[in-house]
Amino acid sequence: GEDVEQSLFLSVREGDSSVINCTYTDSSSTYLYWYKQEPGAGLQLLTYIFSNMDMKQDQRLTVLLNKKDKHLSLRIADTQTGDSAIYFCAEDPDSSYKLIFGSGTRLLVRP
Amino acid sequence: DADVTQTPRNRITKTGKRIMLECSQTKGHDRMYWYRQDPGLGLQLIYYSFDVKDINKGEISDGYSVSRQAQAKFSLSLESAIPNQTALYFCATSTSGGSNEQFFGPGTRLTVL
Repeated sequence: GEDVEQSLFLSVREGDSSVINCTYTDSSSTYLYWYKQEPGAGLQLLTYIFSNMDMKQDQRLTVLLNKKDKHLSLRIADTQTGDSAIYFCAEDPDSSYKLIFGSGTRLLVRP
Repeated sequence: DADVTQTPRNRITKTGKRIMLECSQTKGHDRMYWYRQDPGLGLQLIYYSFDVKDINKGEISDGYSVSRQAQAKFSLSLESAIPNQTALYFCATSTSGGSNEQFFGPGTRLTVL
């Protein structure tokens, strides 16, 4: 079945790098996504990666995709206190436009 | 102005009451979605609509119904609310084709007593 798994919590110090990991089950997903949710707000797309790519970099964000292991990661360089939020991984199985979300990883950035 | 708006933002109601949550978008997108968020469970898809005449059930549609009144409006109804429907509800939109980036509204916090 379709399932997306993430660890629940990550704590880092300001200025360090953060790495949030995700595993998914559907190898037919065309796109994989990272969304950010700040307190009291909806989800905001941070970045996405096409399934035929291994890596995508966008300023402080680096996405790595290992299709063989169905593993996706989001690296945030020079993490800031404003990066504290919940980060959701999502897949688009069968390119169906019905996203399957993980349960979210809460990132806490300590000063 | 926000592209995807939801009303109300907060609602407290009693068991058995009928509730309607509304979503409007100015993005001109064809596709609209309703999700439910519970702590530790991520988002679960309730219903989705790919155009005004196309409405489909998601993972957890029991106890909910929807209406797509126009391209820009998609409402979610709880005909007889129950306490385990207490959750945060999100509307989202996307355009057909491309990367299926979904744009989310700010959410409605619903409490059923």
